[in-house]
Amino acid sequence: AQSVTQPDIHITVSEGASLELRCNYSYGATPYLFWYVQSPGQGLQLLLKYFSGDTLVQGIKGFEAEFKRSQSSFNLRKPSVHWSDAAEYFCAVGPGTGGYQKVTFGTGTKLQVIP
Amino acid sequence: DVKVTQSSRYLVKRTGEKVFLECVQDMDHENMFWYRQDPGLGLRLIYFSYDVKMKEKGDIPEGYSVSREKKERFSLILESASTNQTSMYLCASSSTTGTGASPLHFGNGTRLTVT
Repeated sequence: AQSVTQPDIHITVSEGASLELRCNYSYGATPYLFWYVQSPGQGLQLLLKYFSGDTLVQGIKGFEAEFKRSQSSFNLRKPSVHWSDAAEYFCAVGPGTGGYQKVTFGTGTKLQVIP
Repeated sequence: DVKVTQSSRYLVKRTGEKVFLECVQDMDHENMFWYRQDPGLGLRLIYFSYDVKMKEKGDIPEGYSVSREKKERFSLILESASTNQTSMYLCASSSTTGTGASPLHFGNGTRLTVT
């Protein structure tokens, strides 16, 4: 069964500092990987996705993520955090083949940004 | 831009009531999903549908049912609401790529309180 682990429940960073949010997945074949962001009171918005090809993917709002098959990881990074990045971030995994659409989410990491 | 609209932002119901949560998407997506979001548990899939009148159980279907009579509309039904169904409910839709999971587009959520 597919699963996602986000080991950090809560992270606090200073504005302007770099950020890395961790994500480890378990999936038996080639997965599709996603990062979503949820601002307070809102639904989830897609930040970026990895299907194949270059293992470093760029997303919106200056975020990037790196797929490392050997470590079963898909960590999210941003070189300089802005106060507006305070939100909850979810990593998700889905099947890479077969058209089957079930996506499994991690439990989320809440990001706090301090001035 | 894809829009997923959930009919209610906040809902308060009494134990034992039958509750309907409605979701409409405007991008002709084949797939629609209902997730439940609880603190520390992330998003858990209740039901999904990959075609009109088709439905599949997700990870936590007990106490819920769904209806998809039209492609754009997916309803979640709580046959007899209970206090442990107090939660945030998120609807999502996606297209079928034929090659695996595709990004989900979310509504803003319905916060249901059962008293």
